[in-house]
Amino acid sequence: DAGITQSPRHKVTETGTPVTLRCHQTENHRYMYWYRQDPGHGLRLIHYSYGVKDTDKGEVSDGYSVSRSKTEDFLLTLESATSSQTSVYFCAISERDTTSTDTQYFGPGTRLTVL
Amino acid sequence: QKEVEQDPGPLSVPEGAIVSLNCTYSNSAFQYFMWYRQYSRKGPELLMYTYSSGNKEDGRFTAQVDKSSKYISLFIRDSQPSDSATYLCAMRPNRDDKIIFGKGTRLHILP
Repeated sequence: DAGITQSPRHKVTETGTPVTLRCHQTENHRYMYWYRQDPGHGLRLIHYSYGVKDTDKGEVSDGYSVSRSKTEDFLLTLESATSSQTSVYFCAISERDTTSTDTQYFGPGTRLTVL
Repeated sequence: QKEVEQDPGPLSVPEGAIVSLNCTYSNSAFQYFMWYRQYSRKGPELLMYTYSSGNKEDGRFTAQVDKSSKYISLFIRDSQPSDSATYLCAMRPNRDDKIIFGKGTRLHILP
């Protein structure tokens, strides 16, 4: 998985509780992404980061926040989890330079269930 | 019309057959096209990456882009049971744009 780890790999939580998912990379790539994958919707971008402390919203960012204090770590926080946030969450990384194709490499995923 | 359309399947074919997976899209600005393979309970992994129209071959896999028809295909020759997975097409207008993914086609190769 291209030097990407996600933690936890599985989590069950209750509605209204805060949840933080962690993505850690060892590739020193500049760009990091959080996606969610749901049946019938495919992969949808939640937030992404283009550098330390530089983040931006994706298409489904409501209810989520992110932080990136180090190049290697990108955190996704659900401030108050809802059942609609039950999903599989994937982190991805990419490196945009003039020589690369800027493809995204995905982590193994975190399966989150909100009861 | 959705930006990227992909038949969810499942598609079941016998081992050794040629598999054809397809996506259509509506945005004529797309220039970069990708195919990802995703095994059950794993993250997607990049399989093929092409720019603009034409064919690209890598082993048993061939990616084909027809921009005039807004249609891309992935062909798998001599299919194996290990090819059983979900295949996601993906595309973007420019290198700096966000990637738009298809919903994926589930493929089963029957031994």
